[in-house]
Amino acid sequence: DAGVTQSPTHLIKTRGQQVTLRCSPKSGHDTVSWYQQALGQGPQFIFQYYEEEERQRGNFPDRFSGHQFPNYSSELNVNALLLGDSALYLCASSYNVGGPDTQYFGPGTRLTVL
Amino acid sequence: AQSVTQLGSHVSVSEGALVLLRCNYSSSVPPYLFWYVQYPNQGLQLLLKYTSAATLVKGINGFEAEFKKSETSFHLTKPSAHMSDAAEYFCAVSVSGSGNTGKLIFGQGTTLQVKP
Repeated sequence: DAGVTQSPTHLIKTRGQQVTLRCSPKSGHDTVSWYQQALGQGPQFIFQYYEEEERQRGNFPDRFSGHQFPNYSSELNVNALLLGDSALYLCASSYNVGGPDTQYFGPGTRLTVL
Repeated sequence: AQSVTQLGSHVSVSEGALVLLRCNYSSSVPPYLFWYVQYPNQGLQLLLKYTSAATLVKGINGFEAEFKKSETSFHLTKPSAHMSDAAEYFCAVSVSGSGNTGKLIFGQGTTLQVKP
């Protein structure tokens, strides 16, 4: 049983560029959440997707957007990259059983903005 | 609003010694509480979770945590540290009840160093 997978593992971009990160959830999971983890910090919630819609959003600007596909996989898009967007981006999947289920995390995508 | 405070950003123990990592939470409604571990250059792995069943929760790799409502704490312990326990540990809270999306709020993390 494959766990949560993310691609790419590493990415280097320059300021002002746009980036797309991808996540495939654990088999049987229908909910995907994205987190940003800056160096030396705990993960910060960006947003969550369920039934192809953004269900909840954290305190992140509109430059951060996402999408969920019918197969439950998800993308995180960041526009107009800033140096401060450099971080580990974590995807977590869970099964919405009528209440919160445990979130399982992928290995993350390390984004470096130069 | 919910929040998590992890006391001590860095904890150092000798191999075989007791591990105690402290976590205090703030929540206006009954919380779900989690401990995750992160090894270098990896994602987060769930150690254990509390979801209003038994207050003493046993997890993987010999770790356990006790939910104490009166102290708003959820400290993580392991009787005997192993070198492989060296990692970053995160305490997290989410809110129970209908409509909860399971959004996790994390503490700042505690780095556990295990000395031979």
